[in-house]
Amino acid sequence: SQKIEQNSEALNIQEGKTATLTCNYTNYSPAYLQWYRQDPGRGPVFLLLIRENEKEKRKERLKVTFDTTLKQSLFHITASQPADSATYLCALASSSSASKIIFGSGTRLSIRP
Amino acid sequence: DAGVIQSPRHEVTEMGQEVTLRCKPISGHDYLFWYRQTMMRGLELLIYFNNNVPIDDSGMPEDRFSAKMPNASFSTLKIQPSEPRDSAVYFCASSRTGSPTGQYFGPGTRLTVT
Repeated sequence: SQKIEQNSEALNIQEGKTATLTCNYTNYSPAYLQWYRQDPGRGPVFLLLIRENEKEKRKERLKVTFDTTLKQSLFHITASQPADSATYLCALASSSSASKIIFGSGTRLSIRP
Repeated sequence: DAGVIQSPRHEVTEMGQEVTLRCKPISGHDYLFWYRQTMMRGLELLIYFNNNVPIDDSGMPEDRFSAKMPNASFSTLKIQPSEPRDSAVYFCASSRTGSPTGQYFGPGTRLTVT
């Protein structure tokens, strides 16, 4: 069955360091992958989209990589700040149904001052 | 733009009652999605529409759940009868075909069934 896995344990990072979150998937032929941020009591907010033929995408302090051989995406936040503390969700759209995305369970990130 | 609007924000009801959740997508968006989020199961897609037509309802838990989209600016998710295990946060999201900006989520409706 299709599965998306993210670290269930919270990630605690010192301010200023680079935070790296992992998203692994199985039994998918992804058309693209997205990353969202979710703060407590709010809906997810879209951050980045990377397509299956792209290796890397950047946006300000964010960087996403996509390795379809390893079936893995890495999400990096450089120069992390306490305001980056949130839960980060990865989501995949398969090539057979590109409009429908399935979310991972998310990783909670805490940046300590 | 006001973003995706959901109502009510909180709903507390007794088991067996009918619950109706409402959503107004962003104007111009042709896709609308209903999700449910719980600690145990995470964010699950229930159903989605394209141009007001239901495309995939395979995530709808059972016949007690139904969703409609009578026009491009309004959708409802109904649970009848409600059960305590339906307690969750229900999100509505919308997107536009071909847009690289992902889905826009509403603030969610927190449903508690006692």
